[in-house]
Amino acid sequence: EPEVTQTPSHQVTQMGQEVILRCVPISNHLYFYWYRQILGQKVEFLVSFYNNEISEKSEIFDDQFSVERPDGSNFTLKIRSTKLEDSAMYFCASSDRGRSHTEAFFGQGTRLTVV
Amino acid sequence: AQKVTQAQTEISVVEKEDVTLDCVYETRDTTYYLFWYKQPPSGELVFLIRRNSFDEQNEISGRYSWNFQKSTSSFNFTITASQVVDSAVYFCALTGNYGQNFVFGPGTRLSVLP
Repeated sequence: EPEVTQTPSHQVTQMGQEVILRCVPISNHLYFYWYRQILGQKVEFLVSFYNNEISEKSEIFDDQFSVERPDGSNFTLKIRSTKLEDSAMYFCASSDRGRSHTEAFFGQGTRLTVV
Repeated sequence: AQKVTQAQTEISVVEKEDVTLDCVYETRDTTYYLFWYKQPPSGELVFLIRRNSFDEQNEISGRYSWNFQKSTSSFNFTITASQVVDSAVYFCALTGNYGQNFVFGPGTRLSVLP
């Protein structure tokens, strides 16, 4: 069964450092997303990406964040200068968003801990 | 704006009991999609069901069933004969018809005790 894969599963970084979270979406999907879940809280939308550009972003997704699809298979989320409050589980998702409007497939998440 | 409410923060039941998780949504879209996801202690999000706004038929899948009522904007989820492995956080989510992102509810933590 196709799946979205995320690496690493857990990342620990020092405050102020840059981190890149990586995702490999399902190969024939065209829409990609990043979501964030602070421990014990709900899953929050960060950004959606389609046709090599951001299609929608939330107020959480400020200038510290960026996304990229560098090579046609990976989809990355970069946090330029991490803050303690960036500690969370980050989920990547992809969907084909066709007429059937299938569900978004979520990766297993990357737990980011900023110390 | 879209919103999903899951009024039950935590529920505890004893194994083999039935349990219903409530979900109420708000949207101005005429076409929309509702989802349930399960988040076990390991942290991943597991897809359970998708329902579009035109299909109000209830669905049953094994011990799981869903009751979609457009008139009350609710999409409730029932687990019959609960098992310890059902212990998880369950999220209800909503998305519209035009490529919008998912809006998740706050989740309901279900604990099934042996």
